[in-house]
Amino acid sequence: QLQLQESGPGLVKPSETLSLTCTVSGGSVSRSGYNWNWIRQPPGKGLEWIGATYYHGGTDYAPSLKSRVTISIDTSNNQFSLKMNSMTAADTAVYFCARRLVTQPNHYFDYWGQGTLVTVSS
Amino acid sequence: QSVLTQPPSASGTPGQGVTISCSGGGSNIGINTVNWYQQLPGTAPKLIIFANNQRPSGVPDRFSGSKSGTSVSLAISGLQSEDEADYYCATWDASLNDLVFGGGTKLTVL
Repeated sequence: QLQLQESGPGLVKPSETLSLTCTVSGGSVSRSGYNWNWIRQPPGKGLEWIGATYYHGGTDYAPSLKSRVTISIDTSNNQFSLKMNSMTAADTAVYFCARRLVTQPNHYFDYWGQGTLVTVSS
Repeated sequence: QSVLTQPPSASGTPGQGVTISCSGGGSNIGINTVNWYQQLPGTAPKLIIFANNQRPSGVPDRFSGSKSGTSVSLAISGLQSEDEADYYCATWDASLNDLVFGGGTKLTVL
């Protein structure tokens, strides 16, 4: 059974850079046909896709966050990571990592991490 | 403001049926398949419908999906208390080059 686990600081200061890692167990991030995603959810609000990385290192980003986000993959440690700079209070959210099937014609998130709350505050 | 429009709330009594709508446009629902996710309080979302109307294994057949033009619907029959959750539709938007979620619908089982 595939499992994903987010890790990183729960508190980030305004203007600083957030760094989160998602560790995958029970499967390989090197498997083709999938990409590896970050999604966030502000408290009491809906889901927002941040972006994704592929086993070959390619990336896709949400246009609204593209200038601030870097997603990378570490196949040797079976992990992928998120870096988001210039954090503000509006970035306070639960951050989820998730696997997405991307083989045509079906694209969907099939496995999610439990999520980690990141609060931006001085 | 979400690209995909869902009603903020829905409700029903145990045993009843309820339908949740998700309306989009020609660059998203109109040309791509839609997935539905269920999010129980304090947990990660869970896939309940993919490709408009397909159920993953383990999802009860009380859940069904349909699509017409630029709108999709999630129907839940025989409501149970454990169905009380937030429900999100999601698809790719080709114009925005973005993966978009609906704003979510909070289902209350009265």
